[in-house]
Amino acid sequence: EIVLTQSPATLSLSPGERATLSCRASQSVSSYLAWYQQKPGQAPRLLIYDASNRATGIPARFSGSGSGTDFTLTISSLEPEDFAVYYCQQRSNWPPGTFGQGTRLEIK
Amino acid sequence: EVQLVESGGGLIQPGGSLRLSCAASGFTVSSNYMSWVRQAPGKGLEWVSVIYSGGSTYYADSVKGRFTISRDNSKNTLYLQMNSLRAEDTAVYYCAREEDGGTDYWGQGTLVTVSS
Repeated sequence: EIVLTQSPATLSLSPGERATLSCRASQSVSSYLAWYQQKPGQAPRLLIYDASNRATGIPARFSGSGSGTDFTLTISSLEPEDFAVYYCQQRSNWPPGTFGQGTRLEIK
Repeated sequence: EVQLVESGGGLIQPGGSLRLSCAASGFTVSSNYMSWVRQAPGKGLEWVSVIYSGGSTYYADSVKGRFTISRDNSKNTLYLQMNSLRAEDTAVYYCAREEDGGTDYWGQGTLVTVSS
């Protein structure tokens, strides 16, 4: 089973700053990686699919990059509504659709 | 508009059974891959099961042999039959629609609590 490791566990930043979140896979997943955002009490929301494609309705400040085993989610300039938990998910060896453990993005 | 509405969660004793339902609207369940994903309190996301449009089913090792995913095409509804429930099955259960690159629609979730 492919294991995804996200870092950092918690990221403390201020609105307007740039956020860089990492996801590393235990073996290559090619570009078959998705990113999700989850706010308290809500279901996850798909942000990025196939490593770098924004899902419908996702603002341009969200971008994804990477391939193979190393991936990055970048939020270019944080808005107040961006503070949430972010998960990556591999779609290469699917099912199972393993998720990373999450990165909590909090207001500094 | 695509909507997924789960129901059937609740408090159940260890060893008991529960069936979750997910009523879909705005699309056809049988034409899509549909999953269940769960989240234990304060924890991350765990994929549980998927049913393909062709009817094939797959399960996480943690639930294999205990849970069964199914659908009723006439009701456009997805189900998760959960047997031999354990305390570690306590979680919010989400039903979700799968697309090629990701899980694009999620329900609001239903809480299952396994406790005596």
